[in-house]
Amino acid sequence: DSGVTQTPKHLITATGQRVTLRCSPRSGDLSVYWYQQSLDQGLQFLIQYYNGEERAKGNILERFSAQQFPDLHSELNLSSLELGDSALYFCASSVDGQGEQPQHFGDGTRLSIL
Amino acid sequence: QQQVKQSPQSLIVQKGGISIINCAYENTAFDYFPWYQQFPGKGPALLIAIRPDVSEKKEGRFTISFNKSAKQFSLHIMDSQPGDSATYFCAASIWNTDKLIFGTGTRLQVFP
Repeated sequence: DSGVTQTPKHLITATGQRVTLRCSPRSGDLSVYWYQQSLDQGLQFLIQYYNGEERAKGNILERFSAQQFPDLHSELNLSSLELGDSALYFCASSVDGQGEQPQHFGDGTRLSIL
Repeated sequence: QQQVKQSPQSLIVQKGGISIINCAYENTAFDYFPWYQQFPGKGPALLIAIRPDVSEKKEGRFTISFNKSAKQFSLHIMDSQPGDSATYFCAASIWNTDKLIFGTGTRLQVFP
């Protein structure tokens, strides 16, 4: 058990809809990362937050947004969903978001767009 | 230049054999190279990592070999066991950015 909790585990919705994925980092970790894992694109870094502030951005679509709250949990919001957004979304956390601190991954949220 | 190329895509090894997975990169600014192991239904878990100032790092049956001049690194799993059957991802990041660039993954199957 990595200590990172993601909810929900599975999400099924339709095109055009909006969903929110939630992540609780390991106790004591200040940095949260979001990744998308799909069959054709592999594991892609989306965005990183550190202690409530955005620190780094990757291949995140404009339809997607994230935030980290004062209690350090994070939410990833996906809107105007398309079929291609179907994927596994992982959250990871680390102590301070720098250098060699390992990233601990949750078990992901599987998003299926019908 | 941000890519990390990983091979092979899949690997079948007999129990007790050596599993070797290779990765290559272009961006010379990368200076942290972790390997992650992922079991079905689970998130990736850090297995072992290396910085480019060493050529090899060993932890138990897992060894990373690093060739800075060739911009290549590899994971060796000695005495492979059926419990090692999983997908393995190499990754790279630039120090202090913490943004991991993952390889495409290798599905390892170890048969008894």
